[in-house]
Amino acid sequence: NAGVTQTPKFQVLKTGQSMTLQCAQDMNHEYMSWYRQDPGMGLRLIHYSVGAGITDQGEVPNGYNVSRSTTEDFPLRLLSAAPSQTSVYFCASTYPGGFATQYFGPGTRLLVL
Amino acid sequence: KNEVEQSPQNLTAQEGEFITINCSYSVGISALHWLQQHPGGGIVSLFMLSSGKKKHGRLIATINIQEKHSSLHITASHPRDSAVYICAVVFSGADGLTFGKGTHLIIQP
Repeated sequence: NAGVTQTPKFQVLKTGQSMTLQCAQDMNHEYMSWYRQDPGMGLRLIHYSVGAGITDQGEVPNGYNVSRSTTEDFPLRLLSAAPSQTSVYFCASTYPGGFATQYFGPGTRLLVL
Repeated sequence: KNEVEQSPQNLTAQEGEFITINCSYSVGISALHWLQQHPGGGIVSLFMLSSGKKKHGRLIATINIQEKHSSLHITASHPRDSAVYICAVVFSGADGLTFGKGTHLIIQP
């Protein structure tokens, strides 16, 4: 099993550019989520999905879009990048309910100039 | 607002010491997770608790539901235990995890 994979590992964007952060898992997990990690703050939930075709907003959804067309993939789109979106982004997957082990991807470090 | 507080924020100890990291939360939860983030950035799950106590090697996690508090203990600490330890909870009725800010642990040889 590859677990949770994320691409790219590092990206530099200019303000206003758009991009998609890729996330995939091969564990057949229904629940997938995106978090951002900023210095001095805990990880914060951006968007999550409880299954293919179902997504919902987390704590900090503004400026981000998600879709879940398959169980395996959960891409995160930045519509028009802003310097405030400079962060490290983690994708995670698990079974629904909060009682199962959380599996995290290796992270994507994003710098918006 | 549902919050998760960890203490201490930073902890430096000598190899072999017994380490305790604390986590408290504001309202009822359905589950609590302890995570470890190594300097390279990767995050791994250590424990999931809904009651009582769990042990894995030198790591012990406890939770007191009535007091809304959990502790992570490391016995016979080693420099390879140096990492950020993160507490995360699933608040009752909520989806997703709410995270503490983490405890940065350094174990010196």
